[in-house]
Amino acid sequence: EAQVTQNPRYLITVTGKKLTVTCSQNMNHEYMSWYRQDPGLGLRQIYYSMNVEVTDKGDVPEGYKVSRKEKRNFPLILESPSPNQTSLYFCASSLRAVGYEQYFGPGTRLTVT
Amino acid sequence: AQSVTQPDIHITVSEGASLELRCNYSYGATPYLFWYVQSPGQGLQLLLKYFSGDTLVQGIKGFEAEFKRSQSSFNLRKPSVHWSDAAEYFCAVVPLGDYKLSFGAGTTVTVRA
Repeated sequence: EAQVTQNPRYLITVTGKKLTVTCSQNMNHEYMSWYRQDPGLGLRQIYYSMNVEVTDKGDVPEGYKVSRKEKRNFPLILESPSPNQTSLYFCASSLRAVGYEQYFGPGTRLTVT
Repeated sequence: AQSVTQPDIHITVSEGASLELRCNYSYGATPYLFWYVQSPGQGLQLLLKYFSGDTLVQGIKGFEAEFKRSQSSFNLRKPSVHWSDAAEYFCAVVPLGDYKLSFGAGTTVTVRA
């Protein structure tokens, strides 16, 4: 089944404790992206990747890192999480950057205390 | 400033009634336009998209949207709503020449029996 998977689905952590949220897609998509969703703000793009080893900042990249060493994986790294990073995170992928539907993962609910 | 606006935060509609969700954008050139739906606890699913051509676009689940250049709008419609249409709906755009998908704040639809 074609899908985008994220792990973990739920995570509660403490301020400053490094964490990684994994994202994997099995559709051979070139483009992958991370979003955060906050009430009243819709989804905002954190980082995106046009292809392997090519990443760029979205609208809200501060406090996040990404890497794209393999085509299928695009992990999101929070080196030192803070409470303002408490949010719902979505990974998405599409065949190319433009003109193609983005497929979304199920989301990761992160709480930073 | 470039933006995508969904004027209605919350809409309540009776089952069987028609539904229209508004979306306005502010970009120099007509961007690529999308509507996504997010059911409770789920990821996002693409309903329909507009790139060019016929201004009335048909999507999945019985939805359609009409692009109006003169009004910078891309409103979503459904003639007869089902209880399963209760969800949050997001309008999104990709500006020409860009790769980033920008979302509106979303409209929550409640369906009453």
